[in-house]
Amino acid sequence: QSVLTQPPSVSGAPGQRVTISCTGSSSNIGAGYDVHWYQQLPGTAPKLLIYGNTNRPSGVPDRFSGSKSGTSASLAITGLQAEDEADYYCQSYDSSLSGSLFGGGTKLTVL
Amino acid sequence: QVQLVQSGAEVKKPGSSVKVSCKASGGTFSSFGLGWVRQAPGQGLEWMGGIIPFLGTPNYAQKFQGRVTMTADKPTNTAYMDLSSLRSEDTAVYYCARKRAGHFDYWGQGTLVTVSS
Repeated sequence: QSVLTQPPSVSGAPGQRVTISCTGSSSNIGAGYDVHWYQQLPGTAPKLLIYGNTNRPSGVPDRFSGSKSGTSASLAITGLQAEDEADYYCQSYDSSLSGSLFGGGTKLTVL
Repeated sequence: QVQLVQSGAEVKKPGSSVKVSCKASGGTFSSFGLGWVRQAPGQGLEWMGGIIPFLGTPNYAQKFQGRVTMTADKPTNTAYMDLSSLRSEDTAVYYCARKRAGHFDYWGQGTLVTVSS
């Protein structure tokens, strides 16, 4: 089954580090396809955060970083700030679906 | 700076169709792909399909095959997503987004489509 699995929620205190996992399979992440991450603030369109597993678009703080290994990927946020409270989604390509696939999303709460 | 501006909110009856537009500016429209992603209330992002304006050939998610039509008008830099046989479960915000090297780098503001009798 073509699914990207994310934890429904994560939380952390200001200044802390949190990670969000994205677990796929041999038809998507495990097949070598890139993973991308998006941040969605309440009531707004998603915003590209990380592309090509590890790359940050211009303007994205270096507090955000991405990694990928095997059939999984992770988004790490260091120096957590209140403004980071949002939903985060991973996305990849799936060969079984012949199209893009999003993870279910993770709600980050800054305590 | 690339900007994608979508058409306004729609209220539709079950069984009808809706056509959402997405006008691009500030970039070369035909050079990249244009994808459509929807988000039901309180839910996650769902890829519906996409089109490469230069080629004109769409690629649809299997779930929407037979109900969705994606087109692009190069002279006006506008893409369209037509969804037919609407049902209540199609109530969602529909986004267009520019696709480049597998990721979506610019997004429209979203169009709320409400399906209700």
